[in-house]
Amino acid sequence: AQKVTQAQTEISVVEKEDVTLDCVYETRDTTYYLFWYKQPPSGELVFLIRRNSFDEQNEISGRYSWNFQKSTSSFNFTITASQVVDSAVYFCALSEAERSGTASKLTFGTGTRLQVTL
Amino acid sequence: GAVVSQHPSRVICKSGTSVKIECRSLDFQATTMFWYRQFPKQSLMLMATSNEGSKATYEQGVEKDKFLINHASLTLSTLTVTSAHPEDSSFYICSASIGGRNTIYFGEGSWLTVV
Repeated sequence: AQKVTQAQTEISVVEKEDVTLDCVYETRDTTYYLFWYKQPPSGELVFLIRRNSFDEQNEISGRYSWNFQKSTSSFNFTITASQVVDSAVYFCALSEAERSGTASKLTFGTGTRLQVTL
Repeated sequence: GAVVSQHPSRVICKSGTSVKIECRSLDFQATTMFWYRQFPKQSLMLMATSNEGSKATYEQGVEKDKFLINHASLTLSTLTVTSAHPEDSSFYICSASIGGRNTIYFGEGSWLTVV
């Protein structure tokens, strides 16, 4: 069975601080996908990143960066110089990969609520 | 623009009535769609897998007779909450993926309030 653990329930930081959201996953699949989503109060899920299990390269996108460590089954997310607009709930998720390579149903972590204040 | 559209975005219904939520894939065919439920301040939990032309596959603990899923076409899946109760009040969101691709698209979600 797949499992995603986000140990941090809530994090509060002051604007301009860096913050890292942790994600640890469990799966027996050799091919899988990892995702991060942002969920603002309105509810929609904003896609942030997708990572294939065979691609362990870290990625940077503006103020966002992701550290994928297959050896420790972790996929952590760092926001540099946080801003008030970053306040939201962030979900890490895991998807098995079908034979065709199609991403499938997601197993979500419990989410981390990030509060960025002035 | 959105590739998966969900309607309605918000709905209030009376206890005991049924309510239907639609999930449409725009510009692509989705043989499989997924329905998730999210209670306030909780995570998203998979309810069922909607398969075009066949019966949905429900996750353990989800009542198939209460949450009717119909995937009658390659672009539309519907979730009907039958005999709704206040405890069914939740955020329902669907997703779809394009065959052979590793991208998952989510609808905008639907807030259901049962009074």
